[in-house]
Amino acid sequence: GDSVTQMEGPVTLSEEAFLTINCTYTATGYPSLFWYVQYPGEGLQLLLKATKADDKGSNKGFEATYRKETTSFHLEKGSVQVSDSAVYFCALSDRGSGGYQKVTFGTGTKLQVIP
Amino acid sequence: NAGVTQTPKFQVLKTGQSMTLQCAQDMNHNSMYWYRQDPGMGLRLIYYSASEGTTDKGEVPNGYNVSRLNKREFSLRLESAAPSQTSVYFCASSEFGDRPNEKLFFGSGTQLSVL
Repeated sequence: GDSVTQMEGPVTLSEEAFLTINCTYTATGYPSLFWYVQYPGEGLQLLLKATKADDKGSNKGFEATYRKETTSFHLEKGSVQVSDSAVYFCALSDRGSGGYQKVTFGTGTKLQVIP
Repeated sequence: NAGVTQTPKFQVLKTGQSMTLQCAQDMNHNSMYWYRQDPGMGLRLIYYSASEGTTDKGEVPNGYNVSRLNKREFSLRLESAAPSQTSVYFCASSEFGDRPNEKLFFGSGTQLSVL
């Protein structure tokens, strides 16, 4: 079945440091890929997505490129801020057996940015 | 625009007690979902409702029941709570539910402890 593997955290960075959170996936079809972010005490919200190979999703300075050859969707940001402290989830979405949108989440990576 | 609203935010139960988690969305979405979030395991799908009047099991349905009361509301019931059901529960919705590139909209979660 489908699965998502992302790097374990927590990740602690100083403000303005470069961020990479690795994500690889296994899927039988041609999934869409997502990064969701969860701020403390809140639900998940979509950060960015890519729907086909070589697509780049971007939002709020974050980027991720859908790499089919390496089955990866790594999240990057050039200069993190304290306000980026959150838990980041990589996810893939495909069509489930019942025709519904089946979303598989990674375990989440906690990012802490210190001033 | 409230989005997805869950109640309650916190709940403590004793083993064997029952309770219902409520979820409502005001975006006229067709599909709604219940997930649980456990440390080191990401989010796992409990039940989903592809459209009003339909419900189906997800990855971890045992010990739960759901009701899609109308297009807006999707409730999750624990008939006899067990300590293994201690978790954070998220309700989510999506506009169509059958398109892999759709984003999910999440509520802010219910933290449930079963003693």
